[in-house]
Amino acid sequence: GAVVSQHPSWVICKSGTSVKIECRSLDFQATTMFWYRQFPKQSLMLMATSNEGSKATYEQGVEKDKFLINHASLTLSTLTVTSAHPEDSSFYICSATPGPGGEQYFGPGTRLTVT
Amino acid sequence: AQSVTQLGSHVSVSEGALVLLRCNYSSSVPPYLFWYVQYPNQGLQLLLKYTTGATLVKGINGFEAEFKKSETSFHLTKPSAHMSDAAEYFCAVRQSARQLTFGSGTQLTVLP
Repeated sequence: GAVVSQHPSWVICKSGTSVKIECRSLDFQATTMFWYRQFPKQSLMLMATSNEGSKATYEQGVEKDKFLINHASLTLSTLTVTSAHPEDSSFYICSATPGPGGEQYFGPGTRLTVT
Repeated sequence: AQSVTQLGSHVSVSEGALVLLRCNYSSSVPPYLFWYVQYPNQGLQLLLKYTTGATLVKGINGFEAEFKKSETSFHLTKPSAHMSDAAEYFCAVRQSARQLTFGSGTQLTVLP
């Protein structure tokens, strides 16, 4: 079946530094990848949608200059949290879909803690 | 606009009892509906989905859900709960080509 991986699975960084999270589709080409954020005991909130080779589309309220998304290939998207602050601590989940209307396959998530 | 409402943020059942997790949606067009399960510190796993056709959908791990258009509901059921079913469950709707909208989630606890 379709597998999506994320790296790292957890990361601790200091306030003010930047952190990059990778999302890879291992056995299919993902024309679109999605990035979600999940706070403890809450639902997933869509942050942005990225299509391979084009700029990401950010949801309202999400700072595009803070959460940099790159979808450079059909199997890799990256989310970089720039100048991280403690309030950015969260669980970040990506998903990938092979094409329009296709099912979304979710990664295992990345736990980010900013100290 | 589409939205999803999950009634009951926490549901507790005894092992072997019926599991019923409620989901209602609003959508201006026929939706695609999904149930996902999330175990602690993990991503989401698809349990089942409704796209078109038969309104009773069977999924993995013995779960099933019935799409009721007249009630705008897509409740998740399992005849007999198992301890391993304890997890967070999310109902989701997809109206556009790709974007999913999730409900707030229901934490299922299974009591021995």
